[in-house]
Amino acid sequence: AQTVTQSQPEMSVQEAETVTLSCTYDTSENNYYLFWYKQPPSRQMILVIRQEAYKQQNATENRFSVNFQKAAKSFSLKISDSQLGDTAMYFCAFLTTDSWGKLQFGAGTQVVVTP
Amino acid sequence: GAVVSQHPSRVICKSGTSVKIECRSLDFQATTMFWYRQFPKQSLMLMATSNEGSKATYEQGVEKDKFLINHASLTLSTLTVTSAHPEDSSFYICSAIRGGALETQYFGPGTRLLVL
Repeated sequence: AQTVTQSQPEMSVQEAETVTLSCTYDTSENNYYLFWYKQPPSRQMILVIRQEAYKQQNATENRFSVNFQKAAKSFSLKISDSQLGDTAMYFCAFLTTDSWGKLQFGAGTQVVVTP
Repeated sequence: GAVVSQHPSRVICKSGTSVKIECRSLDFQATTMFWYRQFPKQSLMLMATSNEGSKATYEQGVEKDKFLINHASLTLSTLTVTSAHPEDSSFYICSAIRGGALETQYFGPGTRLLVL
């Protein structure tokens, strides 16, 4: 069984600063996807970034980037130039290619961006 | 982009009644939809996988007779909470897969259920 661990329940960051959220996972599979989802106070789940395990290059989406360490089974998210609108719960999620779309979510990290 | 809607966005009902929540893919066909439950400040918990034209597959510990799922068309899945009790109060979220892209899920905005 796969597990996803987010060890930081809450992180606080000032506007314009950088924050890094950690995520580790456990799997015996070789082909899988990793995701970071954002859930703002509206509770709408928003995909932030996606990483395919077969790709060595770390994914980047504007101010959001990941550090994917496959051997260490680590998938951290860096938010640069934090904005007030980044305040949200962030979930790390894992998907194997043979799980028929079933996502495994971590417990989440609440990010609070302060002025 | 792909849009998934849920209706209603919030519902209050009396204990013992049944409540139906709809999940629609507005601009694409979804052969597979998922239903999640989320308690305050917790993660999403997968309840069941809904496949068009077939019976839903429930996760371990989810009562299939209590949470009835019907995926009657390629754009609509419904979750009915039967004989609701206060402990069923939660936030219910659906997601849909577009075509065969199992790695891409589109989430609905969620439905807040309060059972009195």
